Amino acid sequence: GENVEQHPSTLSVQEGDSAVIKCTYSDSASNYFPWYKQELGKRPQLIIDIRSNVGEKKDQRIAVTLNKTAKHFSLHITETQPEDSAVYFCAASMVGGGNKLTFGTGTQLKVEL
Amino acid sequence: DAGVIQSPRHEVTEMGQEVTLRCKPISGHDYLFWYRQTMMRGLELLIYFNNNVPIDDSGMPEDRFSAKMPNASFSTLKIQPSEPRDSAVYFCASSTTAVYGYTFGSGTRLTVV
Repeated sequence: GENVEQHPSTLSVQEGDSAVIKCTYSDSASNYFPWYKQELGKRPQLIIDIRSNVGEKKDQRIAVTLNKTAKHFSLHITETQPEDSAVYFCAASMVGGGNKLTFGTGTQLKVEL
Repeated sequence: DAGVIQSPRHEVTEMGQEVTLRCKPISGHDYLFWYRQTMMRGLELLIYFNNNVPIDDSGMPEDRFSAKMPNASFSTLKIQPSEPRDSAVYFCASSTTAVYGYTFGSGTRLTVV
């Protein structure tokens, strides 16, 4: 089955700096890669996703890049703000594979003032 | 839309007791997933359903765990008998074939003492 590795496990940045979280996946058949943000005590919420026919996708301060050859994808957050502090999860699934997502282990992002 | 609804939000029970967690997916969603979240193991997929039929229960840890989906609007996850190591947050999520990202419920925080 699919295996998703995520790094780093914790990340501390100064407000206004950029943050990058990286994930690798094992199954070359995977073609859908979402990112979820989970605030303390809350549910994971989808913030951005990318499909394998696209190399990069951007939504305001958030962007995701995908390298299918290397089987890795990354989340980039620019101009970080305190409200970006949360745990971020990457995931991977295969279209037609039952929508089953395999999640990474999460990155605790702390944005310091 | 009210989103994915889970109940109860919190459950404290004694070891050996039966626990039943409930989930109502978003109307029209044909996939339903049960995940368990712990600090040590992250988000683990326990079981998922498609059109009310269990597709993959390989993540169910033991025979003490069972899940049902009697209709398109309701699912249960039962633990009998419960043990302290079952303490975790249990999330239900739903999705459709057309939209691959999940919508998570608010979760049930289970504490077994």
